Parts: sequence; structure tokens; C-alpha cells
Amino acid sequence: QSVLTQPPSASGTPGQRVTISCSGSNSNIGGGFVNWLQQFPGTAPKLLIYSDDQRPSGVPDRFSGSKSGTSGSLAISGLQSEDEADYYCVAWDDSVNGWVFGGGTKLTVL
Amino acid sequence: EVQLVESGGDSVQPGGSLRLSCVASGFRFDRYWMFWVRQSPGKGLEWLANIKEDGSERYYVDSVEGRFTISRDNAKNSVYLQMNGLRVEDTGVYYCARGGFAVWGQGTLVTVSS
Repeated sequence: QSVLTQPPSASGTPGQRVTISCSGSNSNIGGGFVNWLQQFPGTAPKLLIYSDDQRPSGVPDRFSGSKSGTSGSLAISGLQSEDEADYYCVAWDDSVNGWVFGGGTKLTVL
Repeated sequence: EVQLVESGGDSVQPGGSLRLSCVASGFRFDRYWMFWVRQSPGKGLEWLANIKEDGSERYYVDSVEGRFTISRDNAKNSVYLQMNGLRVEDTGVYYCARGGFAVWGQGTLVTVSS
């Protein structure tokens, strides 16, 4: 059972906008930042969003992040087939003095 | 090029030990926290441990506290994970990552099985 809660799956058609949620608590997302990672099968994760809504250089602006209270969201607009991957949220948790991940969301592009 | 390269993964029996290494290049290693993250087969990501820039602070997830030890050698641009008392459930791909999760290694596979 992950500390951060994500839907196990999401889907959309090319060109659509999809959102992935990440629900936490005051000890993690509510008191700090949420980051988002993208992972393709058999490869290492890649940082997609940091500090709630910041994109590292090289990440397309189709990817955006937001936070409200104890929940974060990742939005992907103009969905493309190459966006099909697993997406994870991660945040620092004061109650465990460590980083906590969501269980991951498998995004399927139909 | 900014890079992390892990090594040391292997197959061991329950109760055994392994030492993972991660060598950094392309950035000022001594200016960053370093992490170890695990991914069990078919499962999600799990943070295991992190260590401060100068090694003065270390944190562990409960499931490895007392069995795993994170350390670093800034002169060698390296971070290590000493794993003792390995269990079947420790099987997985082990990644090192730079603080902030912006840089990841390729991962090294640890298999614990009798």
C-alpha cells in the first residue's frame, strides 16, 4: 500500500488531454512539493515535473503539474503515442522522514 | 555528460550480503544528496535511503533500517549501498539517483533466492 495514492491506469486517444491524480496528506504533499516521474518499460525513471509545477529543460510543455491542498495532478495535453508509459508521483514525507512514491499509473494511448 | 553508473548487483541466497556502487560523472558530486531507489519485479518505485552531501545525515525506509547502510566517498564521486541480511523480498532493480531525482543510473539487478 503506497503512501501516495494514484489511479493504477489511465487512457486517452491521440490529441486528448489526460490527467493523473496523486493523493497524499499534510505530512507529504500538503506540507511540501510533489514531483512526477515518467518510466518506460525496462528503463530508468525520468524527472518530468518538480516542485509541483516546474518542468526540467527538455520536457515538452504538453506536460504540466499542479497542486491543491494534499493532492497533486499531472496533465498531459495533445496526447501522443510515445507518452504511453508509467507515471509516478513522489514527495518528501515528514512523518517517515523519507521520500514516498505513489503506486504508479500506467497510461495507455488508445 | 551528467551520468550515474551502478554496479554490484548479483544473485545471492537469503541472508547474504551485497555491496552496490554508483559512480557519478559530469557534475559536482559533493554538492548533492544521493539516493537509492528500488523497483521490485512488476512493481512500483520504493525509496530506500539517502545521504547528505557531506555524509553527515542518512535516512532509511523502515524495511531496510538496520540491514542496509548508505555511504559515500566524495573523493571517488561514489555512493554505496551495503546490504546485509538480504531477503527474498529485496529482489529488484536498484537505482541510484541524484537529489531532486533529475539524474538516475541505469539500475543494477539484485536477485535473492535459494
